[in-house]
Amino acid sequence: DTAVSQTPKYLVTQMGNDKSIKCEQNLGHDTMYWYKQDSKKFLKIMFSYNNKELIINETVPNRFSPKSPDKAHLNLHINSLELGDSAVYFCASSPFLYQETQYFGPGTRLLVL
Amino acid sequence: GQQVMQIPQYQHVQEGEDFTTYCNSSTTLSNIQWYKQRPGGHPVFLIQLVKSGEVKKQKRLTFQFGEAKKNSSLHITATQTTDVGTYFCAGQNGNKLVFGAGTILRVKS
Repeated sequence: DTAVSQTPKYLVTQMGNDKSIKCEQNLGHDTMYWYKQDSKKFLKIMFSYNNKELIINETVPNRFSPKSPDKAHLNLHINSLELGDSAVYFCASSPFLYQETQYFGPGTRLLVL
Repeated sequence: GQQVMQIPQYQHVQEGEDFTTYCNSSTTLSNIQWYKQRPGGHPVFLIQLVKSGEVKKQKRLTFQFGEAKKNSSLHITATQTTDVGTYFCAGQNGNKLVFGAGTILRVKS
């Protein structure tokens, strides 16, 4: 069974649209994260949640809104998509908030046209 | 804020040659982690170093944590084509884990 799963794997959409990416982990971890990886491979944290509570919110446009219905799920909704949002988005989880070893999902490749 | 610098950005080596990537933090770290991302894949945790001066080995990979806990290195002996990918260090300070920019390794056979 996949430990951290994301859907969809690929997402191609037009500028201005709204889209969501879903993430689920079956590892029993308390903490989940969203990362953005740009074309130069730079990994930048966007959000972290611990037991459904927002812990870290880096400087991310408010068009990005994470939602954690329970500690096994962390979804990412993006409003009014822009060309610069094209990237690979990785979900990750770790056992506890201060145990930061990350287990990454397979990634969602977003292309905004 | 905390910064983690990683060099080199790219490295092309001939199969059988050694490879090293270096990581430097602007602040003292509680631990440093290393990840490998294969082309088209996702980052996979390799190892965590916690103690000052710590050295750990995984087969042909040797990881070091500096005495001041501000720098680290990953050395691969006798690279193989299966080693290709991007290697990231990630330094933890408090509740933040900051990734380096990664070193892309290409191995020519």
